[in-house]
Amino acid sequence: DTEVTQTPKHLVMGMTNKKSLKCEQHMGHRAMYWYKQKAKKPPELMFVYSYEKLSINESVPSRFSPECPNSSLLNLHLHALQPEDSALYLCASRIQGAPVNGYTFGSGTRLTVV
Amino acid sequence: DQQVKQNSPSLSVQEGRISILNCDYTNSMFDYFLWYKKYPAEGPTFLISISSIKDKNEDGRFTVFLNKSAKHLSLHIVPSQPGDSAVYFCAASAGGTSYGKLTFGQGTILTVHP
Repeated sequence: DTEVTQTPKHLVMGMTNKKSLKCEQHMGHRAMYWYKQKAKKPPELMFVYSYEKLSINESVPSRFSPECPNSSLLNLHLHALQPEDSALYLCASRIQGAPVNGYTFGSGTRLTVV
Repeated sequence: DQQVKQNSPSLSVQEGRISILNCDYTNSMFDYFLWYKKYPAEGPTFLISISSIKDKNEDGRFTVFLNKSAKHLSLHIVPSQPGDSAVYFCAASAGGTSYGKLTFGQGTILTVHP
């Protein structure tokens, strides 16, 4: 299995909703990432998990809450989002310590906040 | 502050000709550079990379050139094929404790006409 699987592919949520994005990989990668890509913009790093521990939080608002319950799974919990949070959320993984060309990206979750 | 810049939003090329995509960066700490290809509704797919100790890397139809003094890199695709039509992102990484963070350019939409 050489894929990063993200679910759901599309999500529409209201500003008072709570939802979660899920990311799964079975490649044994111990570094996992959340990136956010707004329309016509480049992907921007949100969080890095290394060996299931949060290593980097790029000053992301607390309405985004990441969780890494095990080495294969990465979640992003969403609460009280704003319409400007609408974006493509990309998960990625790589072998810890390997060159960054070893990144594998998922297909993303297209989030719309109404 | 845009540390990685792709100044051409789009590029149109005839099938069989060369496509040249350009990228500039400002952060001297970047030591690894990558090119990704992205189709709509999919995650970025790794194409080719280059370390800062090299000035050229080739893989099939794809060649990346790095000019460190000018802080400039380019991706050459020869010959271009209609299937190459996609958004191309330049990305950069700084070593050390960056945890593999990738900083992306804004992307260039490449269209290859049959």
